[in-house]
Amino acid sequence: DSGVTQTPKHLITATGQRVTLRCSPRSGDLSVYWYQQSLDQGLQFLIHYYNGEERAKGNILERFSAQQFPDLHSELNLSSLELGDSALYFCASSEDPWGGNEKLFFGSGTQLSVL
Amino acid sequence: AQTVTQSQPEMSVQEAETVTLSCTYDTSENNYYLFWYKQPPSRQMILVIRQEAYKQQNATENRFSVNFQKAAKSFSLKISDSQLGDTAMYFCAFMKQGAWGGGNKLTFGTGTQLKVEL
Repeated sequence: DSGVTQTPKHLITATGQRVTLRCSPRSGDLSVYWYQQSLDQGLQFLIHYYNGEERAKGNILERFSAQQFPDLHSELNLSSLELGDSALYFCASSEDPWGGNEKLFFGSGTQLSVL
Repeated sequence: AQTVTQSQPEMSVQEAETVTLSCTYDTSENNYYLFWYKQPPSRQMILVIRQEAYKQQNATENRFSVNFQKAAKSFSLKISDSQLGDTAMYFCAFMKQGAWGGGNKLTFGTGTQLKVEL
């Protein structure tokens, strides 16, 4: 168990809908990262938050947004869903945002299926 | 931009044997980290081993070791005494060091599916 909790584990929805994925980082970790794993794109970095502030954006679509709350949990919002958004969405956390002695701990992911 | 290449989509090994998974990367950075992550059928991403680019000594973690060739930009993973529980997808990943401004982004390879057989 990595200590990173993601809910829900599975999500099935229809095209055009909006969903919210939730992540609770390890106790004490201030950084939260979101990654998308799909068959055609592989594992891709979406976004990084540190202590409530956005720090870096990767290949995140404009239809997607994220935030990190004062209690450090994070939510990834996906809207106007398309079939191609079906993927496994990972959250990871770390305590060190400086890229020094960095280790990321991953949650077990949320499997999103858009029908 | 960094790229990570894993040229072996699938590999198999007999239990108790040794197997080596290949990874090459491309970067203009001098300071970085390299990782091997394991993803078993449970889908959990598990850190197997990490190497700091400034260290010449190859990292080892029990049955797992790496062969890091910085000049060749090569980072292979050796699994000794393979066990059935090692069956998983293995991802090689790169992270730039000191990337505060850009976040600690991991760039992953496409993965190697390893099957350990009886």
